[in-house]
Amino acid sequence: GQQLNQSPQSMFIQEGEDVSMNCTSSSIFNTWLWYKQDPGEGPVLLIALYKAGELTSNGRLTAQFGITRKDSFLNISASIPSDVGIYFCAGEGAQKLVFGQGTRLTINP
Amino acid sequence: GAGVSQSPSNKVTEKGKDVELRCDPISGHTALYWYRQRLGQGLEFLIYFQGNSAPDKSGLPSDRFSAERTGESVSTLTIQRTQQEDSAVYLCASSLVPAGGGTDTQYFGPGTRLTVL
Repeated sequence: GQQLNQSPQSMFIQEGEDVSMNCTSSSIFNTWLWYKQDPGEGPVLLIALYKAGELTSNGRLTAQFGITRKDSFLNISASIPSDVGIYFCAGEGAQKLVFGQGTRLTINP
Repeated sequence: GAGVSQSPSNKVTEKGKDVELRCDPISGHTALYWYRQRLGQGLEFLIYFQGNSAPDKSGLPSDRFSAERTGESVSTLTIQRTQQEDSAVYLCASSLVPAGGGTDTQYFGPGTRLTVL
């Protein structure tokens, strides 16, 4: 099925560092979402973006909806151990979500 | 409970057998979704139920896959004659549907990990 191109696939960083990941698509989406998934759990919504160009923050998380509506990025500032997990972008269209392949974040204390 | 629940949490089956996976959505959520997540991959949409409308089955990978929903409550995903490539985590999500249309936040269950030997 269709998927978004998400990068990087994995990141290994030191605690306290900032993190940046992004997603691109060949299709336009009206809504972009960022989810985090912990082992054995379903994804949990972090940030939702509804307007092209929108920049939204949630604590240490910041995400932007690209002007073309074909891309988005997520930044995490001052990473902490509980940020470890897999982050997914998702585009919403026709009541369905299309997911990226995920970015696995590992933090060295 | 307050969240989406799924059962069983793990299912191991032999190739060729049928399996049924269950999803209990959040009470009051009229929209229900099934996704498949292969190891190390993102989620793939399978099927979407919304109220009494005909379900959107466009993501089902083959006719061995089917799903039903009883009213606005429980849903079951059935996989017939399972194959090894069906091994994955199957995730269910539910959401409200705003009065003006569109969709609301999807809340995911913990998933059922299916292993086909």
